Amino acid sequence: GQQLNQSPQSMFIQEGEDVSMNCTSSSIFNTWLWYKQEPGEGPVLLIALYKAGELTSNGRLTAQFGITRKDSFLNISASIPSDVGIYFCAGRISSGSARQLTFGSGTQLTVLP
Amino acid sequence: KAGVTQTPRYLIKTRGQQVTLSCSPISGHRSVSWYQQTPGQGLQFLFEYFSETQRNKGNFPGRFSGRQFSNSRSEMNVSTLELGDSALYLCASSLDGLSGGYTFGSGTRLTVV
Repeated sequence: GQQLNQSPQSMFIQEGEDVSMNCTSSSIFNTWLWYKQEPGEGPVLLIALYKAGELTSNGRLTAQFGITRKDSFLNISASIPSDVGIYFCAGRISSGSARQLTFGSGTQLTVLP
Repeated sequence: KAGVTQTPRYLIKTRGQQVTLSCSPISGHRSVSWYQQTPGQGLQFLFEYFSETQRNKGNFPGRFSGRQFSNSRSEMNVSTLELGDSALYLCASSLDGLSGGYTFGSGTRLTVV
């Protein structure tokens, strides 16, 4: 089945620094999604990408859908304490019966004051 | 617009018992998916329902089942509970499961003792 490799597993950064994380897949995806999860809550959608090469921003967040359709990255600029959480990438193949999300293992982000 | 509502938030059950979890999707969303989240395995796809039909199923034993009602509300059931079933069970809704992102609920934390 599909596998997503997400890196890094964890990051400790100073407030104000930029952050970058990425996901690579052994399979092609039609959609890449980035979620953030905080303790005791479900994942919250940050950015959705639908086309290879697409670059999308949401405030301080920027994500790109890789040209090969097998990778995606998420950048966070000028990090702030409320950015703390676990960030997940997720890929979806929207054809046939594969209407499911395959998730990366997550990047635990800690922002130090 | 109300979000995805999952009940109950917390549940403690004994090995061998069965449990039913409930999910009310966002109004107008017809696709409901279920995921299991554990520290060891991450987010794993259980199944997806659309218009009261199961369209896709993950690699979980038959003890895990679900259904969807005509109002798109969904339930999942786990029979003969095992200690390893302890997890956060997340429900996600989408317009049709093919486009857009999935919106997750806050989850049901199931503990099997």
